[in-house]
Amino acid sequence: QSVLTQPPSVSGAPGQRVTISCTGSSSNIGAGYDIHWYQQLPRTAPKLLIYANTNRPSGVPDRFSGSKSGTSASLAITGLQAEDEADYYCQSYDSSLSGFVFGSGTKVTVL
Amino acid sequence: VQLVESGGGLIQPGGSLRLSCAASGFTVSHNYIIWVRKAPGKGLEWVTVINRGGNTYYADSVKGRFTISRDNYNNTVYLQMNSLRADDTAVYYCARGDNSYYAMDVWGQGTTVAVSS
Repeated sequence: QSVLTQPPSVSGAPGQRVTISCTGSSSNIGAGYDIHWYQQLPRTAPKLLIYANTNRPSGVPDRFSGSKSGTSASLAITGLQAEDEADYYCQSYDSSLSGFVFGSGTKVTVL
Repeated sequence: VQLVESGGGLIQPGGSLRLSCAASGFTVSHNYIIWVRKAPGKGLEWVTVINRGGNTYYADSVKGRFTISRDNYNNTVYLQMNSLRADDTAVYYCARGDNSYYAMDVWGQGTTVAVSS
């Protein structure tokens, strides 16, 4: 059971907007620790998509955006494309566990 | 900037295995190096981390069985895994933690560990 909770799946048609929630607690997101988002395409290593809540690494399209509020965070994908079909994970630090924590993961399906 | 894991394989329950994470393009002792695993049908799980000062931290699921270490001369981080169990079966990735936000900004390709009799 993951410390950070994500919906198991979201789907949308090409061009649509989808959002993925990441719900934590007062010992991780609510304590002010940064949230990072990763994309994992099938049979590949994860790739950093959003760091420190809202920032995109160089090369990540601006269709991807992140936000954080209270004990939750969200990843939004606008203008959904077939190549966005992947698993997405949020990640933070948890002070009660003294370690990094990942969300349960969300599979994005492009209809 | 690259990380390359090696050392995975098929091992019997109770056995030991050492994974390697060789870095190029940066110095491992200047960054956090993290091991993450993905078991079949499950999500990503943080395993362990070694920070710039050499301090180490472990997930409860591996504490007392796994040991992370660093060889500064060879610019390589190791994961010694003892008393392996079936639920340790996973693809193991090493990743670099950036020094500002501790996001995992560089990942290796992963190495597969299968624990089975």
